[in-house]
Amino acid sequence: EPEVTQTPSHQVTQMGQEVILRCVPISNHLYFYWYRQILGQKVEFLVSFYNNEISEKSEIFDDQFSVERPDGSNFTLKIRSTKLEDSAMYFCASSDKGRYGYTFGSGTRLTVV
Amino acid sequence: AQSVSQHNHHVILSEAASLELGCNYSYGGTVNLFWYVQYPGQHLQLLLKYFSGDPLVKGIKGFEAEFIKSKFSFNLRKPSVQWSDTAEYFCAVNRSWRGSYGGSQGNLIFGKGTKLSVKP
Repeated sequence: EPEVTQTPSHQVTQMGQEVILRCVPISNHLYFYWYRQILGQKVEFLVSFYNNEISEKSEIFDDQFSVERPDGSNFTLKIRSTKLEDSAMYFCASSDKGRYGYTFGSGTRLTVV
Repeated sequence: AQSVSQHNHHVILSEAASLELGCNYSYGGTVNLFWYVQYPGQHLQLLLKYFSGDPLVKGIKGFEAEFIKSKFSFNLRKPSVQWSDTAEYFCAVNRSWRGSYGGSQGNLIFGKGTKLSVKP
């Protein structure tokens, strides 16, 4: 069964540093998403991406965040200057037509110290 | 704004007990509904989904859910739980919308999750 792959599985970074979280969505999917889950809290939507541009973003997705699809396979989330409160599990997801279901990656646990 | 409510934060059951986890959503339009499971240390996995048709949806591992439109509910059920069902369960919703380009999009709105602990 096709998978969404995320790397790294765990990243520790110092506050103020930039991090890039990487995702390889399922190859024939067209919609890409980032979600995050702060420990003990619910999964929150960050951003969706279609046709090489952001299609929707939440209020969490402020100017410190950016997404990119640098080539035909990778989908990245960049956090420019990390804060302690950015510590969370970040999930990438992809789907074929949005409503038909989403496949989530195994997540990257980001720890900001 | 859409929201999803899962009323039970933590449910503790013995093996073979029946399970029902509540999920209510608030949105006036047509929605798609999902239940995801997250086993300890693992990623979100889709249990089942509802888009249209029969409101009783059967998913993997013996789970089912019933969409009751009048109650804005999509409760998850399993007749007999096993120890291996210990996990966190998330209800999610997105709007059913078809965009001008012929596809549809919609970010998932998740509930806060219900932690299920099954005692052997």
